[in-house]
Amino acid sequence: NAGVTQTPKFRILKIGQSMTLQCTQDMNHNYMYWYRQDPGMGLKLIYYSVGAGITDKGEVPNGYNVSRSTTEDFPLRLELAAPSQTSVYFCASTPRVVSEAFFGQGTRLTVV
Amino acid sequence: GQQVMQIPQYQHVQEGEDFTTYCNSSTTLSNIQWYKQRPGGHPVFLIQLVKSGEVKKQKRLTFQFGEAKKNSSLHITATQTTDVGTYFCAGLYNTNAGKSTFGDGTTLTVKP
Repeated sequence: NAGVTQTPKFRILKIGQSMTLQCTQDMNHNYMYWYRQDPGMGLKLIYYSVGAGITDKGEVPNGYNVSRSTTEDFPLRLELAAPSQTSVYFCASTPRVVSEAFFGQGTRLTVV
Repeated sequence: GQQVMQIPQYQHVQEGEDFTTYCNSSTTLSNIQWYKQRPGGHPVFLIQLVKSGEVKKQKRLTFQFGEAKKNSSLHITATQTTDVGTYFCAGLYNTNAGKSTFGDGTTLTVKP
């Protein structure tokens, strides 16, 4: 089972560049989430989705956008990258609203 | 906003000693989850607590949910080097929203 797959694993961006972090899950989960984790901190919710075609903002959505055209995919778009977006990004999915979350391996992003 | 405070931030123990991390919320939680993240890894689900006063055990790990559903603890008996990592609690305040709030984690190091 692949579970939750994130690509790329590492990326260095220059200030002002854009990129898309990919996330796909093969467990047919309705709920998907994007988190960022800064050094020594917990996970902050960026965006989440309760099903295909439905997305909503989390705690720290500024500078990011998402889409959910299929159940499997939940890409995160960074426009005009800034140094403050240097972080590790995790995608997660859950089958129900109150259940364990399955996390991807993470994307380590550096903006210079 | 809703916050989950986790203490201590770091804990260094000798192998064989016990370890406890605490999670506190100022408002009542619907449920609480615990995750473990190994260095360089992604969060992995350990357990979910739902009921007031609930206690669950997994081998050397004991999880408790307070009577008021505002606090929780994870206790590890006789730590081993395989226990190293960061332990996060994640509190859910509203089951309809499905958005968990993560604590900042307790990082455990174990000296052999």
